[in-house]
Amino acid sequence: QVQLKQWGAGLLKPSETLSLTCAVYGGSFSSLYWTWIRQSPGEGLEWIGEINHIGNTNYNPSLKSRVTISVDTSKKQFSLRLTSMTAADTGVYYCVRGAMPVPGTFGGFDSWGQGTLVTVSS
Amino acid sequence: SYELTQPPSMSVSPGQTARITCSGDALPNQYAYWYQQKTGQAPVLMIYLDSERPSGIPERFSGSTSGTTATLTINGVQAEDEAAYYCQSTDSSGTYVMFGGGTKLTVL
Repeated sequence: QVQLKQWGAGLLKPSETLSLTCAVYGGSFSSLYWTWIRQSPGEGLEWIGEINHIGNTNYNPSLKSRVTISVDTSKKQFSLRLTSMTAADTGVYYCVRGAMPVPGTFGGFDSWGQGTLVTVSS
Repeated sequence: SYELTQPPSMSVSPGQTARITCSGDALPNQYAYWYQQKTGQAPVLMIYLDSERPSGIPERFSGSTSGTTATLTINGVQAEDEAAYYCQSTDSSGTYVMFGGGTKLTVL
């Protein structure tokens, strides 16, 4: 049973940089996409981006200029960095596993971290 | 920009059938996925690859697609099914992940 546990600062000032890290316990770390998804208060889900175990990334075009996702395969961890934070970035940030029931076929986001509430306020 | 469109809300009585739709131009060529999110909790994958159900998900949940519309069907709705439901897919290139705006299901 895979578990994702995430941590990072939850209170930021405008213009600061968000840094979150997620550790994966159990299951394989390879051949999967590791993803960050956020949710503004009372709103829907927004995909931030993803990385695989060899460091290939895809980012949401609306956030691409501010986002970096990195991976440390030896520690089975991946991280999110989002620069120039504003109040509009306030919300719950989740680290998520993208399943692959068959090689090369995305099987949905099947394991989620506990979420980190990030508040941007002066 | 590409979007997935869901009704914001719907209500159903216990024991009835709920059908939640998700419309998107790329759905004929891209798979649909469905998530359930209860208040204060992380989302849970309910359907993947249009109609596959992960282990542990009750059989009353099913998925289907037709043209540009994906549908999550809940047969015999129970009080515990009250939640927000999100569809998810990708753009036509298969690169960028998209979520629908979510449908709040109320069980009367």
